[in-house]
Formats: sequence, structure tokens, C-alpha cells
Amino acid sequence: DTGVSQDPRHKITKRGQNVTFRCDPISEHNRLYWYRQTLGQGPEFLTYFQNEAQLEKSRLLSDRFSAERPKGSFSTLEIQRTEQGDSAMYLCASSLGGGADTQYFGPGTRLTVL
Amino acid sequence: AQKVTQAQTEISVVEKEDVTLDCVYETRDTTYYLFWYKQPPSGELVFLIRRNSFDEQNEISGRYSWNFQKSTSSFNFTITASQVVDSAVYFCALIIYSGAGSYQLTFGKGTKLSVIP
Repeated sequence: DTGVSQDPRHKITKRGQNVTFRCDPISEHNRLYWYRQTLGQGPEFLTYFQNEAQLEKSRLLSDRFSAERPKGSFSTLEIQRTEQGDSAMYLCASSLGGGADTQYFGPGTRLTVL
Repeated sequence: AQKVTQAQTEISVVEKEDVTLDCVYETRDTTYYLFWYKQPPSGELVFLIRRNSFDEQNEISGRYSWNFQKSTSSFNFTITASQVVDSAVYFCALIIYSGAGSYQLTFGKGTKLSVIP
């Protein structure tokens, strides 16, 4: 089995630009999570998908953020009108589904907003 | 609300020393799950262990061992005979059912372990 993959690994953008990240979960994992990690902190939950349905969003996810998981496979996270405070590592995790099962993380996308 | 506290921000040990990383959690739920993840400099979180609230047995996996004590709400992690490859940030995390459909991980701030050759 290949693990969770994320693309790109690094993204540098100017304030005000839009960015999109992609996550490919482990095949057959029907749950997908997005987290954000800032320097010196643990990851914080952003949003969750069960198959293609987005079932929960954190209040950290402002209106400038949108996530999709068409067809219940890969997921995208878009940030519109980026701000310097959006600079962080964006982590994707997937799990098989079945209670509080183990979440497996991808390598993350490091976003730097200039 | 749930919370995970890792009081040790950074620890340095000399190779082959034993080291214990502390984790204290707070939750009102009686059913919950505890995890440890390792984050090496490459950045990817690597799963180490999952433990549910009904299983207080300690676990050993090679040089790693975990001590779960509900009475003190602690889930400590010990590395025996540390190696340079153990250098990483270690996160303790708690998961409960959110009520809105998800099982979110709540992480501590992590403990950065440096193993000096």
C-alpha cells in the first residue's frame, strides 16, 4: 500500500493570491481529514470527509477556505486571498473508517505567504 | 473540551540513555483513544501507538514502551537505549467522537527530543 500523498510539498505565494493543495489518501480509506500545523504547535483539525461528504468544519476554517472530495477519492483544499497568517504546514490524514480508527498522515504541504 | 498537555518542550539525552516523554490529557468522555505520533525533521507524522480508554495494559514494542494510567490521566512514552534516529518531535494526541460525525485528533504541543551521539 502506498501512503497518503500530498502535492505540492512546498508552496510560496504572495498575499492575496489563491492556492490549492491536493491530498491522495490511502486507497480504500473512506475518511479524510485536513489539519493545520504552525511552528512549535501540534496539528489542529480543519475539516473532515466521509467519502465525498464534508461532515464537519472547524471554526478555524474561515470563508476563504474551501475543501472538496469529489467521488470520495482525492481531496483539494483551496485558500482564497491568502494572508500571511495562513503560512503553515497543511497536513492530510486518512483512515479506513470504523470508530476512532488510526489516522495516517501525509508529508504535508508547507505554505509560505509573503 | 478535551486537552492534551506535554509539559516538556525540549529534551536532550546522550545516546543509549533512557528517556520518558510525559503526556497528560483531559476529557469528560469515558470512551476515548490516545495516540503517539513521531514527527522527524522531514515533517511527516508517523503513527506509533493507539490505546483505548478501557485498556490500561502497558505496551512494549522493541525499545518503545507506553504507560497508561487513568488515575492520573497520563499516557507516558519511554524510549530505552535511545539512538540518534529517535531525534524528532513526539506528539501525544487524544481522540473522541465529536458528535458531528468526525473523530478529531486533539494534539499536544509536542516534545522535541534530541539524541546526542
